[in-house]
Amino acid sequence: DVKVTQSSRYLVKRTGEKVFLECVQDMDHENMFWYRQDPGLGLRLIYFSYDVKMKEKGDIPEGYSVSREKKERFSLILESASTNQTSMYLCASSAPTGYEETQYFGPGTRLLVL
Amino acid sequence: KNEVEQSPQNLTAQEGEFITINCSYSVGISALHWLQQHPGGGIVSLFMLSSGKKKHGRLIATINIQEKHSSLHITASHPRDSAVYICAVRGYLGSGSRLTFGEGTQLTVNP
Repeated sequence: DVKVTQSSRYLVKRTGEKVFLECVQDMDHENMFWYRQDPGLGLRLIYFSYDVKMKEKGDIPEGYSVSREKKERFSLILESASTNQTSMYLCASSAPTGYEETQYFGPGTRLLVL
Repeated sequence: KNEVEQSPQNLTAQEGEFITINCSYSVGISALHWLQQHPGGGIVSLFMLSSGKKKHGRLIATINIQEKHSSLHITASHPRDSAVYICAVRGYLGSGSRLTFGEGTQLTVNP
């Protein structure tokens, strides 16, 4: 079974702090994704990566950066956390298999920024 | 207007009822996914469709490519089916691995 793990289930940070969210997958997937999920808005793509050291902006990249130094690990960084970044953050991974491609999701991290 | 719209947003049913959740999309797609999210956050993939119909246990998913519409049906619903159901679409091959998501339908099945 594919396993995608995220470093924390719940996180409380203060405004202005630098926040690191880690995601690790164990299936050698090339693709990794970071989403945030907010009530009434659904899942929105922040950043994604097709390969090590490669990153692409998603729909809402402002205020975030990412790092992919190893194939299995994709980190989301909030450079200076703000209250409007309070949200559920979900990581996913997939293998690029054409139209059959399925994304596998981690359990999510609920981030509260005070 | 969102590219992917689901209806209803919220649905409450009694155990045993037949449930239908709808998804309409406005772009050309190569595949449509139905996902399930239980309380606590984890998301699992239920179906991937590019045409026709798929069935898994009590769940049935259909897609009409011409009408840009898909439905997820649950027969003999059970309280453990209570979850958020999310529709997501993938563009044509060559548009990458990105998915566009609907807002989700919150289903509550009462005993």
